[in-house]
Amino acid sequence: QKEVEQDPGPLSVPEGAIVSLNCTYSNSAFQYFMWYRQYSRKGPELLMYTYSSGNKEDGRFTAQVDKSSKYISLFIRDSQPSDSATYLCAMSSNTGNQFYFGTGTSLTVIP
Amino acid sequence: EAGVVQSPRYKIIEKKQPVAFWCNPISGHNTLYWYLQNLGQGPELLIRYENEEAVDDSQLPKDRFSAERLKGVDSTLKIQPAELGDSAVYLCASSLGAGHANNEQFFGPGTRLTVL
Repeated sequence: QKEVEQDPGPLSVPEGAIVSLNCTYSNSAFQYFMWYRQYSRKGPELLMYTYSSGNKEDGRFTAQVDKSSKYISLFIRDSQPSDSATYLCAMSSNTGNQFYFGTGTSLTVIP
Repeated sequence: EAGVVQSPRYKIIEKKQPVAFWCNPISGHNTLYWYLQNLGQGPELLIRYENEEAVDDSQLPKDRFSAERLKGVDSTLKIQPAELGDSAVYLCASSLGAGHANNEQFFGPGTRLTVL
């Protein structure tokens, strides 16, 4: 079993839709949860960074962490064509710098 | 401020040939990472440096892969000899370092390697 599971998609939505992206994990030691966005032929860039459980909002993006279920989500409101990219979840424990990435979900927002 | 710089961006070689990738991290970042990213997959850590010390190289295939960060700044990753299965994107990332509350990793654009 992989440390982090993520549905690869692809996911296609119309402009303005609400997008929900999810990851599950097996390691209860994970405390830091991140969402990265990766455009084609570019490196990943950090979108959201959450410590432990709870919600975090930044503009149109909301990250949720449910440690009891080992489940994290990223919501994108009012999706735009410029949001079309691959979204990677990543996690790490309290003690180290080892990041465990999901496989990424490919998102296309259709104008 | 310049981001993480990697070169070359693309490399095509024949199998059994050597290849090297170069990375210059963000100024002041003590931690440097090399990742391997296959198509449709997330990045997988190959090696992590704290300054010039390799502190995690457990996933680096040491029979053919080597890396160095001699002065604790830029780094090179080498494959010798390359195999067909090494075709992938090699990503470099850097961060401030262990002990920082927000140890965000900043990624470079990657080097796309094709082995024929």
